[in-house]
Amino acid sequence: QITLKESGPALVTPTQTLTLTCTLSGFSVTTSGVGVGWIRQPPGQALECLALIYWDDDKIYNPSLKNRVSVTMDSSKNQVVLTMTNMGPVDTGTYFCARKSQKGAWTDYWGQGTLVTVSS
Amino acid sequence: QIVVTQPPSASASLGASVKLTCTLTSGHDKFAVAWHQHQPEKGPRYLMKLNNDGTHTKEDGIPDRFAGSSSGAERYLTISSLQPEDEADYYCQAWGTGIWVFGGGTKLTVL
Repeated sequence: QITLKESGPALVTPTQTLTLTCTLSGFSVTTSGVGVGWIRQPPGQALECLALIYWDDDKIYNPSLKNRVSVTMDSSKNQVVLTMTNMGPVDTGTYFCARKSQKGAWTDYWGQGTLVTVSS
Repeated sequence: QIVVTQPPSASASLGASVKLTCTLTSGHDKFAVAWHQHQPEKGPRYLMKLNNDGTHTKEDGIPDRFAGSSSGAERYLTISSLQPEDEADYYCQAWGTGIWVFGGGTKLTVL
């Protein structure tokens, strides 16, 4: 059974760095063709993809956030980690990780999401 | 840069059918999309990949009530025999050589 689970702080103070972990089960982050993306959803707004990381450690970042976002993988723990610097109130929202299908470029499995609030 | 547009809301009666629309930007009418359902308090769920010719591949377990179709730059998700559990947000996803792109989502209300 394929699952993804996000974990990290629920509350972050402005200017802090956010670190979120996506723990994968049922598939390996290093299997050829695999990718994991981070997507966020501010309250009442649309989904926005922040970054993608592929099995070969290739990475793609959303150009609008490129300087603030970093994604890495820990193959020993089968995890993908998102780091986002200089957090502000507009970054409040639910953060999801999701798997890229091995059959193509779309998303086929999602995590439940974790709510992150940026407030002092 | 591809842009995906969805109407913000739709509604239909229990047992009826509804057709949700996803529009791709001009010049991207050959692109496939994926449809996802997001029910309250749950993670999103992948429904299907929909090609520009209307052929689609559904995820295992997705009922036959869910079907996809295409016309030009428009991609559709039709849900028939609406059930209460179909009330959810529906997102259209596109991709190119870069990041995933999502539409704003359509909130479906089952009356």
